[in-house]
Amino acid sequence: SQWGEENLQALSIQEGEDVTMNCSYKTYTTVVQWYRQKSGKGPALIILIRSNEREKRSGRLRATLDTSSQSSSLSITGTLATDTAVYFCATPTSSGQKLVFGQGTILKVYL
Amino acid sequence: DMKVTQMPRYLIKRMGENVLLECGQDMSHETMYWYRQDPGLGLQLIYISYDVDSNSEGDIPKGYRVSRKKREHFSLILDSAKTNQTSVYFCASSLTGGSSYEQYFGPGTRLTVL
Repeated sequence: SQWGEENLQALSIQEGEDVTMNCSYKTYTTVVQWYRQKSGKGPALIILIRSNEREKRSGRLRATLDTSSQSSSLSITGTLATDTAVYFCATPTSSGQKLVFGQGTILKVYL
Repeated sequence: DMKVTQMPRYLIKRMGENVLLECGQDMSHETMYWYRQDPGLGLQLIYISYDVDSNSEGDIPKGYRVSRKKREHFSLILDSAKTNQTSVYFCASSLTGGSSYEQYFGPGTRLTVL
């Protein structure tokens, strides 16, 4: 597997709290993507970070990439109930035509 | 409007019946994918299509076949469906050669094989 051996993780937090999810990968990559999948929907890209970036921000989202430890994180600040979803990290294979997805983190944000 | 559509959204079939899942995209993407998603197993790649009539097996192709006769349309076929093919199926498309490697997903088809 291109990704580490993390099992599917589940987090349950209260609205307004901050949360961080982590992924580690095994092989070199130029891009780490983070997808969000809400219940009953397909995954959708929410943030992408390249290997020449250590940090990328988009609204309440912050992604980091540490190429030395081959790990990436996604942080959400001031969570909302609408952030409830499964979050996947993904990296392209060397050909760039496939993505390898991590197992995902189930995030539940309650009021 | 960039969109991937899937039909039907829900389907119930009996074991041994044939199943046709259809996917369309309006972005003129060359590459399209079929995944299945089971609880706790993430997304598993079934087939990838690089363009019309240019298809390749993914990680779990057994029991499935695909057809792509038009760039905007990609079908997944289950000949003689089995109960272990009960799952949620997602179609996706991406721009070949793009530097972001972003995949655009459809809303999924929930298939139940009884």
